[in-house]
Amino acid sequence: NAGVTQTPKFQVLKTGQSMTLQCAQDMNHNSMYWYRQDPGMGLRLIYYSASEGTTDKGEVPNGYNVSRLNKREFSLRLESAAPSQTSVYFCASSEARVSPLHFGNGTRLTVT
Amino acid sequence: DQQVKQNSPSLSVQEGRISILNCDYTNSMFDYFLWYKKYPAEGPTFLISISSIKDKNEDGRFTVFLNKSAKHLSLHIVPSQPGDSAVYFCAASLSGGGADGLTFGKGTHLIIQP
Repeated sequence: NAGVTQTPKFQVLKTGQSMTLQCAQDMNHNSMYWYRQDPGMGLRLIYYSASEGTTDKGEVPNGYNVSRLNKREFSLRLESAAPSQTSVYFCASSEARVSPLHFGNGTRLTVT
Repeated sequence: DQQVKQNSPSLSVQEGRISILNCDYTNSMFDYFLWYKKYPAEGPTFLISISSIKDKNEDGRFTVFLNKSAKHLSLHIVPSQPGDSAVYFCAASLSGGGADGLTFGKGTHLIIQP
């Protein structure tokens, strides 16, 4: 049982490049989330999907887009990367909105 | 304005002793609190939670205490073991909200010394 799988683990982009971070969960969870963690900061919610077919903005959505491709997969896209988006990105899922989160191991993104 | 505060960036405790991690919050509407543990290069993992209708919740070596009047919660680990060395995040949820309403603290790095 893999839980939440994120790809890639590491990525370096130049300013203005685009990329998509992939996330898949095999726990049949309804809700999925994207967080970012910056040094000395807590986890901040970028976007979430309460259920298949829905997505909503979190605390820091600017510069990102998401797609809930199906129940298993939730991707995060950076259309034009900026140095301020250098961060560690975590995908998470939960059985329901009021359930504890299960996190992936993160994607470390550097934008130069 | 930080609504969930973990004022100790790091804490060093001797193996076998009690570790006490503290968390303060400012929003009185928070009614569900969670602790997550994070090892380097891994995602956070859920540790323990408490609802505002309780003042204590215990799970093995881990106990969370909630003082609503002081808007303060603490995580006690007894006895502390080397594998407990990690970053601990406190999180709080608004009444009726789900994980989309979770607010995380900045974390406390717990170091267990042999």
